[in-house]
Amino acid sequence: NAGVTQTPKFRILKIGQSMTLQCTQDMNHNYMYWYRQDPGMGLKLIYYSVGAGITDKGEVPNGYNVSRSTTEDFPLRLELAAPSQTSVYFCASSYLEGSSEAFFGQGTRLTVV
Amino acid sequence: AQSVTQLGSHVSVSEGALVLLRCNYSSSVPPYLFWYVQYPNQGLQLLLKYTSAATLVKGINGFEAEFKKSETSFHLTKPSAHMSDAAEYFCAVSPRGGSNYKLTFGKGTLLTVNP
Repeated sequence: NAGVTQTPKFRILKIGQSMTLQCTQDMNHNYMYWYRQDPGMGLKLIYYSVGAGITDKGEVPNGYNVSRSTTEDFPLRLELAAPSQTSVYFCASSYLEGSSEAFFGQGTRLTVV
Repeated sequence: AQSVTQLGSHVSVSEGALVLLRCNYSSSVPPYLFWYVQYPNQGLQLLLKYTSAATLVKGINGFEAEFKKSETSFHLTKPSAHMSDAAEYFCAVSPRGGSNYKLTFGKGTLLTVNP
């Protein structure tokens, strides 16, 4: 049972480049999230999805896009990378119930230069 | 809107000493409350959670937390720190009721354990 898998683990992008962070889960969870983690700032929610075909903005969505075509996959797209997007990105998933535990991937460390 | 505040971005204790990490929440209705731990270069994993049963919640690795509605707090404790407890700890809240299950995290507390 792999849980939540993120790829890549590390990436360096040049300003203006684009990339997709991949996230897949094998637990049949309805809910999926993307967070970014910056030192001393905790985790900020970028986007979330309550099921295939349904996505919504979180706290810091600017500069990002998502899609959810299947229950398993929830990719995060950066269209025009900026230095402010240098961060560690975490994907997570949970059952569709407020008291459910969220399961996290190992993270993607992204540097924009 | 819900929010969570963790007092102290860095806590340092000696091995064998009491660990106390503080968390206060702000919500019109007592939310679901969680503590997550993050070891270096890893994702977050659940330590414990409060839903609606006993106010004293026991988690993994000897940690426990007590929900105090009157103080809007959910502090994390461990009687005796171990070197392996060194990590960053996050308090999180999720609203109770409705259809919005977004987790909101505090800024984290880095725990250092000294030999």
